[in-house]
Amino acid sequence: SQQGEEDPQALSIQEGENATMNCSYKTSINNLQWYRQNSGRGLVHLILIRSNEREKHSGRLRVTLDTSKKSSSLLITASRAADTASYFCATAFTGGFKTIFGAGTRLFVKA
Amino acid sequence: EAQVTQNPRYLITVTGKKLTVTCSQNMNHEYMSWYRQDPGLGLRQIYYSMNVEVTDKGDVPEGYKVSRKEKRNFPLILESPSPNQTSLYFCASSLKGGGNQPQHFGDGTRLSIL
Repeated sequence: SQQGEEDPQALSIQEGENATMNCSYKTSINNLQWYRQNSGRGLVHLILIRSNEREKHSGRLRVTLDTSKKSSSLLITASRAADTASYFCATAFTGGFKTIFGAGTRLFVKA
Repeated sequence: EAQVTQNPRYLITVTGKKLTVTCSQNMNHEYMSWYRQDPGLGLRQIYYSMNVEVTDKGDVPEGYKVSRKEKRNFPLILESPSPNQTSLYFCASSLKGGGNQPQHFGDGTRLSIL
């Protein structure tokens, strides 16, 4: 399987703390995306980072991409209870149309 | 409102009884896709379509069929459902394929095959 891998599988933090999630993948990619899923609901797109970018910001989100290590990280700063959700990375491999999702990180932010 | 609509949202049925899950998008997107989500496995792609009449297998296509006769619709067909197809299914669409555009997801269809 070319599925990406994320760690940690689960993360529990206090409100106000930062949360970092990591994603690794196996082959060359066009870009990498991060999605959020509230329990049992559809996924919502958060941010897309292209293979020629190293860092991208969107509000309290910061995504980094290291193509030499085939890894990405998602940082959520100053977390809130409403950030409690599962977070997934998704990759599309160079020249392909398949989308590969990681198994996800479950984030729990305690108020 | 831009959306991806799946129906039904919930279905309990029995082994072998053909079923279809519909998916429709109103954003004129070229790329549509079906995923299944199982605990601990994340989302796995079943089939995808780059445009009308163009479909291809994802990672777990066995036991499923799709068709793309119109741009807005991408139904998922289970000809002879089995219990191992009990899962949460998501349809998604994006402007183009190749992962260069964000995907918009439906709210999911929870299927139970007894």
